[in-house]
Amino acid sequence: EVQLVESGGGLVQPGRSLRLSCAASGFTFDDYAMHWVRQAPGKGLEWVSGISWNSGSIGYADSVKGRFTISRDNAKNSLYLQMNSLRAEDTALYYCAKDPYGDYVFGNFDYWGQGTLVTVSS
Amino acid sequence: QSALTQPASVSGSPGQSITISCTGTSSDVGGYNYVSWYQQHPGKAPKLMIYEVSNRPSGVSNRFSGSKSGNTASLTISGLQAEDEADYYCSSYTSSSSYVFGTGTKVTVL
Repeated sequence: EVQLVESGGGLVQPGRSLRLSCAASGFTFDDYAMHWVRQAPGKGLEWVSGISWNSGSIGYADSVKGRFTISRDNAKNSLYLQMNSLRAEDTALYYCAKDPYGDYVFGNFDYWGQGTLVTVSS
Repeated sequence: QSALTQPASVSGSPGQSITISCTGTSSDVGGYNYVSWYQQHPGKAPKLMIYEVSNRPSGVSNRFSGSKSGNTASLTISGLQAEDEADYYCSSYTSSSSYVFGTGTKVTVL
C-alpha cells in the first residue's frame, strides 16, 4: 500500500524558513517523480513543485520560484521542500503527491499524503 | 499561470448524470492530453479519478468518465450517488513545464 506521510509544518513568522519532509513507503520510491501541492484554507489546489526520479528535472510554480527548493533522498525514501522568505500567502496545507511516471512532466498525481499545515503569521 | 475555469457548483438528483467543465487555453488543456480530475471530500486528501483526459485508475467506478474538446475538458458522473458529493478539481500540464488546477466545483446530490 502506497503511503505518503508529510511532516515539518507549523507556525512561522514572515520572512523565516521551514523545511517540509515526506516519507514514502509501499512503492519503489526512486522509480517515480514526486510533487508538492498546496491548498490554502478554504481554497483550491495549487501545484508548487515537482522533481523527477533522479532529481535531474525540477519545476516550480512562479509563485514560489526563487524561494522554495524541492529535493529528494532516494536512499531514505524521502521528499523535501525547503521554504525560505515565507509570506502570509504561503499559508496552506502542503500535500506530497506521487507521479505515476519517472519524470515530473506530462504526469499527474496518483497518490496523496494527508498534508502538513504551514501557517505564516507574526 | 491562471487557474482553469470550472463552475462553482453543480447539483443533481440520485441516478442522474452531471457534467463538470474545465476551460483553459491552448497552452494547457488545449495543448496537451494531460488533463486529470480529482475528487476531494471535506477534510480529506484529493483522489485521482481520471488521468490523461479519459483514463480511469484501477478501483475508480466506471460511472466517472472524462473527455476533451478544444480548450475545454469535461468530467461526467453518471448514476449520481450520495457518496459522489464532494469537491472536484481538474488539472492540466502546461507549456511552462508546470501544472495548473481548476478553480474547483462543489457537487451536491439533491
